[in-house]
Amino acid sequence: SYVLTQPPSVSVAPGQTARITCGGFNVGTKSLHWYQQKPGQAPVLVLYDDTGRPSGIPERFSGSNSGTLTISRVEAGDEADYYCHVWDSASDQGVFGPGTKVTVL
Amino acid sequence: ELQLLESGGGVVQPGGSLRLSCAASGFTFSRYSMSWVRQAPGKGLEWVSAITGSGGSTYYADSVKGRFTISREDSSNTLYLQINSLRAEDTAIYYCAKHHYETSEGADAFDIWGQGTVVTVSS
Repeated sequence: SYVLTQPPSVSVAPGQTARITCGGFNVGTKSLHWYQQKPGQAPVLVLYDDTGRPSGIPERFSGSNSGTLTISRVEAGDEADYYCHVWDSASDQGVFGPGTKVTVL
Repeated sequence: ELQLLESGGGVVQPGGSLRLSCAASGFTFSRYSMSWVRQAPGKGLEWVSAITGSGGSTYYADSVKGRFTISREDSSNTLYLQINSLRAEDTAIYYCAKHHYETSEGADAFDIWGQGTVVTVSS
């Protein structure tokens, strides 16, 4: 089955830039989506199809075709777990990465 | 307002069954694929199952195949997950989620999530 990898944690100072990578075999050929989840809350879509930003998501959140979520000018409210997600067409199954905890110092 | 509201969770013994429901509102339910995603206590997200807008195609994670059945009733804007032969490892919050694109075949992002319903498998 298809496996996605993410760093367990990323720490960043307020105002700086956080970058979260999502790895997997040929992940650049798949449509990658990113979710933010704060404690006790449901996940929220922050990026779809690598670089698309849903309405209401700040421009500070951006993505690349190589599997990176970038959060610019990090704020305290960005502290959360972030998950990447793809559809594996070989098995016809959804796959989530293990998640990355972003800590704002 | 687009909204998903799950129900049907509870405490069940190993080997038991539950039927989860997800009531949708604020969008044309029949035109969108839907998924169930679960999260075990203190763990990450796990995709469980998806169903296309037509209901013609269903997909399952290996961990639930043969035990879980996804279905939908477009007349009442409701998504279901029948879960049988429950195991301790099925203990989780179960979220329903709306797919992003109309008439997609299920491979797209989840843009609306419910608040989840808790399933606890314990003797």
